[in-house]
Amino acid sequence: AQRVTQPEKLLSVFKGAPVELKCNYSYSGSPELFWYVQYSRQRLQLLLRHISRESIKGFTADLNKGETSFHLKKPFAQEEDSAMYYCALRSGSARQLTFGSGTQLTVLP
Amino acid sequence: AAGVIQSPRHLIKEKRETATLKCYPIPRHDTVYWYQQGPGQDPQFLISFYEKMQSDKGSIPDRFSAQQFSDYHSELNMSSLELGDSALYFCASSWGVGNTIYFGEGSWLTVV
Repeated sequence: AQRVTQPEKLLSVFKGAPVELKCNYSYSGSPELFWYVQYSRQRLQLLLRHISRESIKGFTADLNKGETSFHLKKPFAQEEDSAMYYCALRSGSARQLTFGSGTQLTVLP
Repeated sequence: AAGVIQSPRHLIKEKRETATLKCYPIPRHDTVYWYQQGPGQDPQFLISFYEKMQSDKGSIPDRFSAQQFSDYHSELNMSSLELGDSALYFCASSWGVGNTIYFGEGSWLTVV
């Protein structure tokens, strides 16, 4: 069975500091991983997907199959980055998302 | 651009009552997913539909049922409501299975 683990429920950094949100997964197939962001209980918004290898709002994430990780990184955090971040794995016959427990990021001024 | 539309946005029901949530996917999207997010919890997959047929089932209680209609909108029916059903219910849609999933703003259900 697939599983997504986000070890930190809360993470606080100061504005301008680097930030890394950890995500580990377990899945027997070929993983398809995503990061979603949720601002103040609004809708979940897609931030990144590993297959596009893009940078959105300064965030990047690299899939490391050896370590089964997909950590989210940003070199200089901004206050507007404060939100809940969910790592998700796509699997199943319907290719639905399995979410991690989320990390609440707070960027302090 | 059009997004996933959910209604109602807020709903208050008493225990043992029935509630129906509606989801209108992005135009031309043929796949709908339902998720439940309890207070302080991560979203849990309930059920999905592709081309009006159920495609996968997650942790949906037997008291709940759902369907996708000919116009691709979907409804989640919840009966014999319990206090623990209080949650934010997200609907999401995609075009085909495997493409990007877009979420609606959710429907807040409070059971009192």
